[in-house]
Amino acid sequence: LAKTTQPISMDSYEGQEVNITCSHNNIATNDYITWYQQFPSQGPRFIIQGYKTKVTNEVASLFIPADRKSSTLSLPRVSLSDTAVYYCLVGDMETGGFKTIFGAGTRLFVKA
Amino acid sequence: NAGVTQTPKFRVLKTGQSMTLLCAQDMNHEYMYWYRQDPGMGLRLIHYSVGEGTTAKGEVPDGYNVSRLKKQNFLLGLESAAPSQTSVYFCASSSTGAYSQETQYFGPGTRLLVL
Repeated sequence: LAKTTQPISMDSYEGQEVNITCSHNNIATNDYITWYQQFPSQGPRFIIQGYKTKVTNEVASLFIPADRKSSTLSLPRVSLSDTAVYYCLVGDMETGGFKTIFGAGTRLFVKA
Repeated sequence: NAGVTQTPKFRVLKTGQSMTLLCAQDMNHEYMYWYRQDPGMGLRLIHYSVGEGTTAKGEVPDGYNVSRLKKQNFLLGLESAAPSQTSVYFCASSSTGAYSQETQYFGPGTRLLVL
């Protein structure tokens, strides 16, 4: 099974840039890398998705090296409202690509 | 456009009781999913559906049944609730089944307490 490994938790201060790295050594050729954000008592929300190199949107940037065995979610100038759990997902091609594997995610706590 | 909605928001059951959780989406998505999330844990896939009239087992299907009679609705049933099924249940939908480019849209969740 394709599997991801992320830090369990991270702390930061308001205004800092936060980088969360995800390891996915068994990523398949056709798999994209997707990141979700989950606030307490809410369902996960899509943040960003990429295949290789760098992707940027209004919320975050995603850096993917050439070997695609890892990826880094970058949140610029975080605020208290960015306190959430962040999940990194890659495709599970072994089971036909229809099953989504959410790990425990990374709990980001932003302090004032 | 409400996205994904779930009914009810909260429910308390006694062991052995049955109930059905309703998920509805108005985005004309083909694929729908039911997850459970236990405290401090990630989401685990219970069942999913790749289209109207189809269902398939996910990672933790035991004790649950599902039905997708209409494209916009995905029902999750507990025939005989157990305390181990106390959890938060999330429904999600997506427009493609090709996971590589899939973006799932989640509902607000249903909190279930089984006593």
